[in-house]
Amino acid sequence: SQELEQSPQSLIVQEGKNLTINCTSSKTLYGLYWYKQKYGEGLIFLMMLQKGGEEKSHEKITAKLDEKKQQSSLHITASQPSHAGIYLCGAAHYGGSQGNLIFGKGTKLSVKP
Amino acid sequence: NAGVTQTPKFQVLKTGQSMTLQCAQDMNHNSMYWYRQDPGMGLRLIYYSASEGTTDKGEVPNGYNVSRLNKREFSLRLESAAPSQTSVYFCASRALAGGVDTQYFGPGTRLTVL
Repeated sequence: SQELEQSPQSLIVQEGKNLTINCTSSKTLYGLYWYKQKYGEGLIFLMMLQKGGEEKSHEKITAKLDEKKQQSSLHITASQPSHAGIYLCGAAHYGGSQGNLIFGKGTKLSVKP
Repeated sequence: NAGVTQTPKFQVLKTGQSMTLQCAQDMNHNSMYWYRQDPGMGLRLIYYSASEGTTDKGEVPNGYNVSRLNKREFSLRLESAAPSQTSVYFCASRALAGGVDTQYFGPGTRLTVL
């Protein structure tokens, strides 16, 4: 089955600092999704990338898809305490025809004020 | 527009008890999903329903059954709960229209099996 590796597993940054989270797939990516999860809550959709080289932004969060490397990166600029949470990447399986997603194990982000 | 709702939010069961987790969406989506989230394991797909009247197994279906009652509702049933089913359960529905393809998640049900 398709596997997604996220790195780092956890991250502690000082408020105002930039950071990057990576998501690497062992198989071809048909679609890559980024979600954020607040502790003890559900998942909030951030963005979806489909095409190689695609880049999307949501407030101060930017995600890119490198199709050749089968990798996506999530970059947060000038981090704030509100960015704290668990970031999950999900990948479409079978070209997205059934919509089933495989998820990475998540990256836990803490932002120190 | 409430999105995806789940009930209950918390539940404690004894081994061998049964229960049904309820999920409903008001976005007129065809596809719905049940995931479980465990520490160190991430989210894993239990069952999904591509459309009303159809259901299929996901990665970890053993010990569970599902019912797609109608387009809005997709329930997950534990017939005889086991401690290994202690987890957080998430329901999701899929938006697929106009170039948009994503899943929207409910707030989760935290289940403990003693």
